[in-house]
Amino acid sequence: DAKTTQPPSMDCAEGRAANLPCNHSTISGNEYVYWYRQIHSQGPQYIIHGLKNNETNEMASLIITEDRKSSTLILPHATLRDTAVYYCIVRVSTGGFKTIFGAGTRLFVKA
Amino acid sequence: NAGVTQTPKFRVLKTGQSMTLLCAQDMNHEYMYWYRQDPGMGLRLIHYSVGEGTTAKGEVPDGYNVSRLKKQNFLLGLESAAPSQTSVYFCASSPWRGIGNEQFFGPGTRLTVL
Repeated sequence: DAKTTQPPSMDCAEGRAANLPCNHSTISGNEYVYWYRQIHSQGPQYIIHGLKNNETNEMASLIITEDRKSSTLILPHATLRDTAVYYCIVRVSTGGFKTIFGAGTRLFVKA
Repeated sequence: NAGVTQTPKFRVLKTGQSMTLLCAQDMNHEYMYWYRQDPGMGLRLIHYSVGEGTTAKGEVPDGYNVSRLKKQNFLLGLESAAPSQTSVYFCASSPWRGIGNEQFFGPGTRLTVL
């Protein structure tokens, strides 16, 4: 399974877009990119996933580069409640047991 | 729907004691998982199950046993607790749809072993 690289921390001003990058240069053709977040002491929360097309839902947008070696999670209007650790995970869609949570990116949204 | 629930929320054990953590889901999901999370680290998979009556080892299975007698429940057992098992334990479940299959997590159980 491909591994991912994320910056350890990022800051964002409230109301601005938060752009969280993820590198996954060894991703395989059948592997998806998943994003989860973990708000302090809570269980991780699923955000979005994609294979090669850009995806959008009510929480965020996922932009995957054409070569699929990197992606960006976009929170369009960050709020204080978006302060959390964000995990980028690469795995096949059927392999929930292959979900590897790394250290993630700690996003601080500031007023 | 309650989603994924975990019992208990907190527990303190002495070294050598045993206990069972209960995970329940009401979403009719096929897959269930147990993770542990140590301070400042990501989650690590302990055991998982792809269906009723089946279990498999994850990344860090030593010292733990699991059972899935009913589809909606996944039990994690510690036979002889050790201080190294002090951690926050998360249960998760996911459906089988062919694609996607995102995981849904419970609120966690905070375990301290003295």
